Amino acid sequence: QVHLVESGGGVVQPGRSLRLSCEASGFTFSTYAMHWVRQAPGKGLESVAVMSNDGSNKYYGDSVKGRFTISRDNSKNTLYLQMNSLRGEDTAMYYCARAGSSGFDYWGQGALVTVSS
Amino acid sequence: DIRMTQSPSSLSASVGARVTITCRASQRISTYLNWYQQKPGKAPELLIYAASSLQSGVPSRFSGSGSGTDFTLTISSLQPEDFATYYCQQTYSVPITFGPGTKVDIK
Repeated sequence: QVHLVESGGGVVQPGRSLRLSCEASGFTFSTYAMHWVRQAPGKGLESVAVMSNDGSNKYYGDSVKGRFTISRDNSKNTLYLQMNSLRGEDTAMYYCARAGSSGFDYWGQGALVTVSS
Repeated sequence: DIRMTQSPSSLSASVGARVTITCRASQRISTYLNWYQQKPGKAPELLIYAASSLQSGVPSRFSGSGSGTDFTLTISSLQPEDFATYYCQQTYSVPITFGPGTKVDIK
């Protein structure tokens, strides 16, 4: 069965960096676009970044553009999110999600990122 | 960016009640509209895709309708496990955007 497992979350000071990973299993990772979605405490869902199946196309939300970088290693079945220049407003649960034929059909359990001094 | 709105923002209902949640897009999105359920401390789960198609494994009491700018999610007979927050999402264009959510709790 499909599994997505995020890792790399934690507490980080403002201005510092963190890299999240999302390890996929149970499906052919290289044939699916993948997303990062975040949810601030008590708030709604926000699309952060998306990468096409082969890595040739990527898109970022305005709030993270220029600071976050999405990447993937299809040989390792892993999606990444490099987060630089972190701010307090980046504090959130970060989910990776698979782009199904319509909608995000599988989600990981999430990785909590807390930006605080 | 396409802005998604939902109404109501919250509702209280009894077990067995029929519940309808509305989602509106700021521009026409055909049927590129999905619905998710999220329970506290859990990741969202896809319920309905392409406005009206039931995701595999989702109970048939859930249904979706609409096209263009106006969409609805209906729960025909609310069950205890349905108390959660529901989000709509448009995948018509990037950035993909979500509605603000509708929290359904016990009356």
